[in-house]
Amino acid sequence: SAVISQKPSRDICQRGTSLTIQCQVDSQVTMMFWYRQQPGQSLTLIATANQGSEATYESGFVIDKFPISRPNLTFSTLTVSNMSPEDSSIYLCSAVIQGAGYEQYFGPGTRLTVT
Amino acid sequence: AQSVTQLDSHVSVSEGTPVLLRCNYSSSYSPSLFWYVQHPNKGLQLLLKYTSAATLVKGINGFEAEFKKSETSFHLTKPSAHMSDAAEYFCVVSAPGGGSQGNLIFGKGTKLSVKP
Repeated sequence: SAVISQKPSRDICQRGTSLTIQCQVDSQVTMMFWYRQQPGQSLTLIATANQGSEATYESGFVIDKFPISRPNLTFSTLTVSNMSPEDSSIYLCSAVIQGAGYEQYFGPGTRLTVT
Repeated sequence: AQSVTQLDSHVSVSEGTPVLLRCNYSSSYSPSLFWYVQHPNKGLQLLLKYTSAATLVKGINGFEAEFKKSETSFHLTKPSAHMSDAAEYFCVVSAPGGGSQGNLIFGKGTKLSVKP
């Protein structure tokens, strides 16, 4: 198994500002991902964080709004830019661990409220 | 297209009684299916997965699920509920590329309450 931590665990931000969320995994991973869980909704995949190259975004998500970095095998950041109240969600990172049967492990999430 | 429907948004059981959380899926190919659990303020934890092997899948904490292709169902069961089972449960289907590619499609979740 793996332990995935996220910082911050929650934040309240003002409209128009940006927030960067950090995700750290305690094992070597093959892939890392970012999801969003809007209030009362399912989890939705935002993007795959690729090491050393641009992230791969899902339909409806763009790099200007959600820039992602992945400088090494165990760390990634997601920035929520120019926030609006509609961005209020839980943001989760996940990872596929080498040798763990391609199971996805999830972080505890970051609860973001935009006022 | 792939989709998953959790038939109950909230299930309430008494401690010691059976648990049934229902999930139906739609997929144009043979899917991989998962159940995840999310306890308050904790990360999602994989309970069990089906990947075209045995149709009855046993997971952690006494949970199991049966893949029924004819009914397109993957219901989660447990013979006897424990207070610690109270949490939100997600049924998940993999999109083309499989779970390793990150294309997981989540159901809306079922909140399980366990009464003493």
